[in-house]
Amino acid sequence: GAVVSQHPSRVICKSGTSVKIECRSLDFQATTMFWYRQFPKQSLMLMATSNEGSKATYEQGVEKDKFLINHASLTLSTLTVTSAHPEDSSFYICSARDGQGSGNTIYFGEGSWLTVV
Amino acid sequence: QQQVKQSPQSLIVQKGGISIINCAYENTAFDYFPWYQQFPGKGPALLIAIRPDVSEKKEGRFTISFNKSAKQFSLHIMDSQPGDSATYFCAASKKSAGYALNFGKGTSLLVTP
Repeated sequence: GAVVSQHPSRVICKSGTSVKIECRSLDFQATTMFWYRQFPKQSLMLMATSNEGSKATYEQGVEKDKFLINHASLTLSTLTVTSAHPEDSSFYICSARDGQGSGNTIYFGEGSWLTVV
Repeated sequence: QQQVKQSPQSLIVQKGGISIINCAYENTAFDYFPWYQQFPGKGPALLIAIRPDVSEKKEGRFTISFNKSAKQFSLHIMDSQPGDSATYFCAASKKSAGYALNFGKGTSLLVTP
């Protein structure tokens, strides 16, 4: 089946530093990738949608200058949390849309735990 | 605003029983309704999905029932097993929004031995 790889799975960074999370679609071309944030025992909240080669579309309330998203190729999207603070600690999950067939199947990565100390 | 409402929040079912999770939506533009299973600390995994032109879809022990007029859909897990214990999310998406998923709040399922 389709696989979406996310790296790193866990990262600890100091407050004020930046951290980058990568999301790769391993066996399909992902024209669209999505980034979610999930707090413990809560649902996934969409942060932004990125299309290959264009700027990401951010959901209301998500700071685009803080959460930098780059979708440079059909298989790679990155999320950079800039000037991270403890309140940014969360589970970040990417997903990728398989553009083949009906084009609406979305696969998720394994998620990245970010802890800001 | 929660575009997809999911219930119950938690569910306990005995092994071999049927687990039923319900979802409702308002936006008739939604045209794709997947269910995801998530284990603690892992990303969601696609279980089964349905389009609004179909009233039921079955894959193994998992069945989606879809009622377009009522704008409701449900997941039935037959012969529930302890390994099914996880959080289940229903979702809805539409082509005009690039198929971005709108998730329900999730149902924590516990299947007891």
